Amino acid sequence: QVLLVQSGAEMKKPGAAVRVSCKTSGYDFNNYPIHWVRQAPGQRLEWMGWINVGNADTKFSEKFQARVSITRDTSATIVYMDLTSLTSEDTAVYFCARAPYVGAFSSWFDPWGQGTLVTVSS
Amino acid sequence: EVVLTQSPATLSASPGEKATLSCRASQNVHYNLAWYQQKPGQPPRVLISSASAGATGSPARFSGSGSETEFTLTIDGLQSEDSAIYYCQQYNNWPLTFGPGTRVEIK
Repeated sequence: QVLLVQSGAEMKKPGAAVRVSCKTSGYDFNNYPIHWVRQAPGQRLEWMGWINVGNADTKFSEKFQARVSITRDTSATIVYMDLTSLTSEDTAVYFCARAPYVGAFSSWFDPWGQGTLVTVSS
Repeated sequence: EVVLTQSPATLSASPGEKATLSCRASQNVHYNLAWYQQKPGQPPRVLISSASAGATGSPARFSGSGSETEFTLTIDGLQSEDSAIYYCQQYNNWPLTFGPGTRVEIK
């Protein structure tokens, strides 16, 4: 069974950084890209970026390019998303999601992690 | 960036009825469009990919159609558990983008 299990909720102050992890299991970790998508309250889903887990190549939305990084630990089959310089507008649920098949770089997402709430407040 | 618009914003229908949800793209995305269902407190679940291909585990009452800039998700025979928000997503162009969603309410 393919599972993506994310780290727990975070509370951060403006200007801080956050790391969200996505522990994967049940499939060949190196063959499927992992994406990060966020959902702010009352807003549409927003794609942030993607990592080719096999070679660590990344691609980001221009909106987040300067503040986001995505890395992976192949031995632990975990993907990390770091977001810096947080503001209240970064308050959102952050999801990791896997590409649906090997080599699918631009695709839909299936399955998804359960989501991690990041709250940014002074 | 490809902007997706969805209509209606909210749809209210009775069990057994047919629901038709629309997604319009600002540019041609060919058949590279997916539909998701999201219930409160849960991540989205893919229902349809490649505009019309049913996802594994997606009930047969969900079907998708369309191409280029006009797409439709049809729920044929609404059930109470279909109460959710439905999103479309294009994966033809970077950045990948989502529509604002259609809320489906079951009377």
